[in-house]
Amino acid sequence: DQQVKQNSPSLSVQEGRISILNCDYTNSMFDYFLWYKKYPAEGPTFLISISSIKDKNEDGRFTVFLNKSAKHLSLHIVPSQPGDSAVYFCAASADGNEKLTFGTGTRLTIIP
Amino acid sequence: EAGVVQSPRYKIIEKKQPVAFWCNPISGHNTLYWYRQNLGQGPELLIRYENEEAVDDSQLPKDRFSAERLKGVDSTLKIQPAELGDSAVYLCASSLGRVGEKLFFGSGTQLSVL
Repeated sequence: DQQVKQNSPSLSVQEGRISILNCDYTNSMFDYFLWYKKYPAEGPTFLISISSIKDKNEDGRFTVFLNKSAKHLSLHIVPSQPGDSAVYFCAASADGNEKLTFGTGTRLTIIP
Repeated sequence: EAGVVQSPRYKIIEKKQPVAFWCNPISGHNTLYWYRQNLGQGPELLIRYENEEAVDDSQLPKDRFSAERLKGVDSTLKIQPAELGDSAVYLCASSLGRVGEKLFFGSGTQLSVL
């Protein structure tokens, strides 16, 4: 039972354009959402998060949007840079519990 | 500031052999996690420690997996005996333990069971 789903295993985007990564969840108890970025042979690193009381959070080139009614969140990267090429994981937690449930990841490739 | 340190980086063993992974969390982080990441999947929580206490081990296969965090600092995860299906990356993470606090991950141990 995959509670956090990333339906696009891969995405290619031209450098300078916007990258949009999507994530859907099924557990209505999730109230905190995070995006992690992972380079090969490294552990995931935190990128950005959003609480369920917000619908948008922005940090530099990265913006996360949350649509609670649709149980959907997305990560926007603009402009995309070659260093953004990595696997991006969406994660969620419920009731302030620190246990994170991860999606299966989306491999983003930025084309120079 | 040193990050989460894990060793070994890679491990290749034959099935039925024992194996152990070690993790040293970031100094001051009282919460420590062990995750397992299978190929093409996201990390899945195996066990979470608050200091030396295992507060969530519901996903740990207790027939063959064990973990300890003596003195509430570094931690060891053991598999005995290993099975072919245990091949995965084992990730350790730590955090300050406050709600919403982000996790810091180590580079992981890639285990191959032959």
